[in-house]
Amino acid sequence: GAGVSQSPRYKVAKRGQDVALRCDPISGHVSLFWYQQALGQGPEFLTYFQNEAQLDKSGLPSDRFFAERPEGSVSTLKIQRTQQEDSAVYLCASSSLDRQADYGYTFGSGTRLTVV
Amino acid sequence: RKEVEQDPGPFNVPEGATVAFNCTYSNSASQSFFWYRQDCRKEPKLLMSVYSSGNEDGRFTAQLNRASQYISLLIRDSKLSDSATYLCVVLNYGGSQGNLIFGKGTKLSVKP
Repeated sequence: GAGVSQSPRYKVAKRGQDVALRCDPISGHVSLFWYQQALGQGPEFLTYFQNEAQLDKSGLPSDRFFAERPEGSVSTLKIQRTQQEDSAVYLCASSSLDRQADYGYTFGSGTRLTVV
Repeated sequence: RKEVEQDPGPFNVPEGATVAFNCTYSNSASQSFFWYRQDCRKEPKLLMSVYSSGNEDGRFTAQLNRASQYISLLIRDSKLSDSATYLCVVLNYGGSQGNLIFGKGTKLSVKP
C-alpha cells in the first residue's frame, strides 16, 4: 500500500486480557519496527525485523510482549495478560535499508491501547 | 540521562515569530539526524534531515554540530499550522541496521 497501515486504531482491553496489534508496512520495505509512545513522551523502540527475522528485541519491556513477522510483510505485536502500564500508543514503522540514513522511517497512525 | 535531550517547552509564540529548538545527543557514533513533527494524536512525520553543512527548507533551517553533539531547528515567520510537537531524532547503527532514538519532544503553540 501507499503507507504503513495499522489496526485496530483504538483498543480497549480489560486488565489480564491478551491483545494483538497488526501492522502492514509499505510494500517492499525490508525493515519493520515497533515503538511504544506513552503520553507526553517520545516513541521508545521495542523491536525490529529485517524481512521475517527479528534481529533486535531489546526494547520489549517484558516477556508478555511478543512480535512476529512470519512472511516478511505483515507483523503482529502481541501483549499477553495486559497491565495498566501497557496503555500507550503502539507505532509501527517501515523503511528500506538504502534510504533510512537520509529519510528515516515512515510511521503508521498507531494503535492506541487503553487497559482498564 | 536520556540519549536525546530536548528543550522542555512548551513554546508559546505569536504568528510571525522566529523560534529555535535545541537538542543534544549522547552517542558520538550516531550517524544520521532528523527532526520529526507530530501533530496531536497523529503519527510522527519526517520534517527534515539534518546535515553537518546545515540545511534549509523554506522557513525551516536545521543545523548539526557533531563536535558538540548538538542539533537545532529554526522556524522563521511561524504560522498557526506550525503548532505541533517537534521531535529530535538520531539514527544509531548496530551492525547493518539503524535504530531511531527519539527525544521527548518540544511542543510549539503558535497563537494569532
